[in-house]
Amino acid sequence: NAGVTQTPKFQVLKTGQSMTLQCAQDMNHNSMYWYRQDPGMGLRLIYYSASEGTTDKGEVPNGYNVSRLNKREFSLRLESAAPSQTSVYFCASSESRSGNTIYFGEGSWLTVV
Amino acid sequence: GENVEQHPSTLSVQEGDSAVIKCTYSDSASNYFPWYKQELGKRPQLIIDIRSNVGEKKDQRIAVTLNKTAKHFSLHITETQPEDSAVYFCAARENKFYFGSGTKLNVKP
Repeated sequence: NAGVTQTPKFQVLKTGQSMTLQCAQDMNHNSMYWYRQDPGMGLRLIYYSASEGTTDKGEVPNGYNVSRLNKREFSLRLESAAPSQTSVYFCASSESRSGNTIYFGEGSWLTVV
Repeated sequence: GENVEQHPSTLSVQEGDSAVIKCTYSDSASNYFPWYKQELGKRPQLIIDIRSNVGEKKDQRIAVTLNKTAKHFSLHITETQPEDSAVYFCAARENKFYFGSGTKLNVKP
């Protein structure tokens, strides 16, 4: 039982390049999330998926797209990377019902130069 | 959407002292309030949580209190130890999880 697995762990991109962060969970959770973490800003929600086939914008969705490929997988795409997207990205999952906690992946360190 | 505010942003205590971190939330529909500890370079990990039908919960040296009327909740760590040094995040959930901006706790030996 690996929990939440995300790849890659580290990536350096040039401005304007595109890339996809992959995430998979093996806990049979319906809800999945992508957060970004910047110093002093906490964890900010980029996109949320309540269930397979549905996605919803979070607090900071601009510059990102997501795909909920199936119940296990939720990917985050940067179409044209900008230096402002340099951050640590965390994928997470949870049960749908409130009262259940959220589980995080190990994080992806992305630098855009 | 929900707005979670967390204070203080940094907290320095002497080993053995208590530490208190406070959070407020805006959405009265939020009904689940977890706390996470994040060590440098690691993912956030759940340390304690409280549901809206409970006012207080304790787990060894850690306790959380919730005041639904005032929309605030607090984390209390007693008898702090150097290994408690980390960043702590509060969160509130109705459907999605919204996080506070974090408190960097430094426990001095």
